[in-house]
Amino acid sequence: DAGVIQSPRHEVTEMGQEVTLRCKPISGHNSLFWYRQTMMRGLELLIYFNNNVPIDDSGMPEDRFSAKMPNASFSTLKIQPSEPRDSAVYFCASSYRISSGNTIYFGEGSWLTVV
Amino acid sequence: AQTVTQSQPEMSVQEAETVTLSCTYDTSESDYYLFWYKQPPSRQMILVIRQEAYKQQNATENRFSVNFQKAAKSFSLKISDSQLGDAAMYFCAYRSAKRSGANSKLTFGKGITLSVRP
Repeated sequence: DAGVIQSPRHEVTEMGQEVTLRCKPISGHNSLFWYRQTMMRGLELLIYFNNNVPIDDSGMPEDRFSAKMPNASFSTLKIQPSEPRDSAVYFCASSYRISSGNTIYFGEGSWLTVV
Repeated sequence: AQTVTQSQPEMSVQEAETVTLSCTYDTSESDYYLFWYKQPPSRQMILVIRQEAYKQQNATENRFSVNFQKAAKSFSLKISDSQLGDAAMYFCAYRSAKRSGANSKLTFGKGITLSVRP
C-alpha cells in the first residue's frame, strides 16, 4: 500500500509568493495532520483534521497560513504571502484510530525554502 | 496538556554496543500510546516502536526495545548491537487513547541526535 504522499518534495520560492503544499493520506485513514519542523522549534503541530473537519488549528502561526481538506484523500496547506521564516520541512501525516492502533504515519516531507 | 521531555540532546555509541535513549512525559490520563520515531538525514519520520499504556509488557522490535515505567512516566528506548544505520535523530511521542477528535494529535519531544562510532 502507498504511504502518505506529499508534493512537492522540495520548493524554493521568493518572499511574497504563494506556496501550496499537497498531501494524499493513506487510503482509509480519517485523521490528517500537518506538522512543521525547524531547528529552533522542533516539530510543531499546525492543524489536524478528523473526517475532513478541522479539529484544532491553534498551531497555525498566523493568517498567512491556511489548510483545507476538501475530501478524504486530499489536503492542502497554503502560505500566502510566504516569508523567509516559513522555511522549514512540512510533514503531512495520517492515522486511522482503530485499525492502525493509533499509529500516525508520516509522509516524506516537503522542504520549503523562502528566499 | 501532555508534555514529552527528552533531556539529552545528543548521544554517541560504539558500533555493536548498546545505547539507551531517555524520555519522560507528563499526563493525567491513564490510557495512551507512546512511540519512538527515527529521523535519518533524509528527514523522513520512521516509526521504530510503539507501546500501549495498558500493557505491562515492554514492546520489542528486533534490536529495539523499550523500558516503560508507567508510574514514573518514563519511556526509554534501548538499541542493542548498534549499527551505523542507526545514526539519526530519535523522537519520543505521546498520543491519547481517548476516542475524541481533540485528542488525536501526537505530541513530540525535542529529539535526541544519536551518532554511531565505527
